[in-house]
Amino acid sequence: KNQVEQSPQSLIILEGKNCTLQCNYTVSPFSNLRWYKQDTGRGPVSLTIMTFSENTKSNGRYTATLDADTKQSSLHITASQLSDSASYICVVSGASGTYKYIFGTGTRLKVLA
Amino acid sequence: ETGVTQTPRHLVMGMTNKKSLKCEQHLGHNAMYWYKQSAKKPLELMFVYNFKEQTENNSVPSRFSPECPNSSHLFLHLHTLQPEDSALYLCASSQGPGTSGSYEQYFGPGTRLTVT
Repeated sequence: KNQVEQSPQSLIILEGKNCTLQCNYTVSPFSNLRWYKQDTGRGPVSLTIMTFSENTKSNGRYTATLDADTKQSSLHITASQLSDSASYICVVSGASGTYKYIFGTGTRLKVLA
Repeated sequence: ETGVTQTPRHLVMGMTNKKSLKCEQHLGHNAMYWYKQSAKKPLELMFVYNFKEQTENNSVPSRFSPECPNSSHLFLHLHTLQPEDSALYLCASSQGPGTSGSYEQYFGPGTRLTVT
């Protein structure tokens, strides 16, 4: 069964600190993996996208890594800011010719001053 | 903003009411989606439209009725809903149908629905 699991479910850090969010998936065959940021009361917004041939992608203070062999991805946030408080969702797309994007349950991050 | 708008942003309705959710995309995309987001659960795909044609119905109960009059507009008609239907309903669009998931989805802000 195609699944995407994220950890931790929630995380609290102090402003200025770094953190890493994890995403494990079983989707096969694999096409690409996206990380989305979802602010409270808003829709998800894409941060990064990686195909199976890419192992790292950066977007400002956000750096995503992908290990297609172990089916694991991580999102590293550097020098966190209060505005980073949000849910971060990992989305994996299969290459089987369907519309389905497999969503993880997300990690809720809270950054404290 | 993502170029996808949704109205209303909040909706409270009784189980016997009929209401509609509206989504509009200003991106020139050809595919539109309805998702349901419940607390502590992954986004659930409900419907997919490609060039106004419904191409996927993910076993959604008939009390949810989608309508796509053109590639820019998508509606979700609601009737005789249940309290467990309370959730955030998100609309998304993409340039193409994403047969390989290669097209990025752009999400609207969602409609927070409460069924009493």
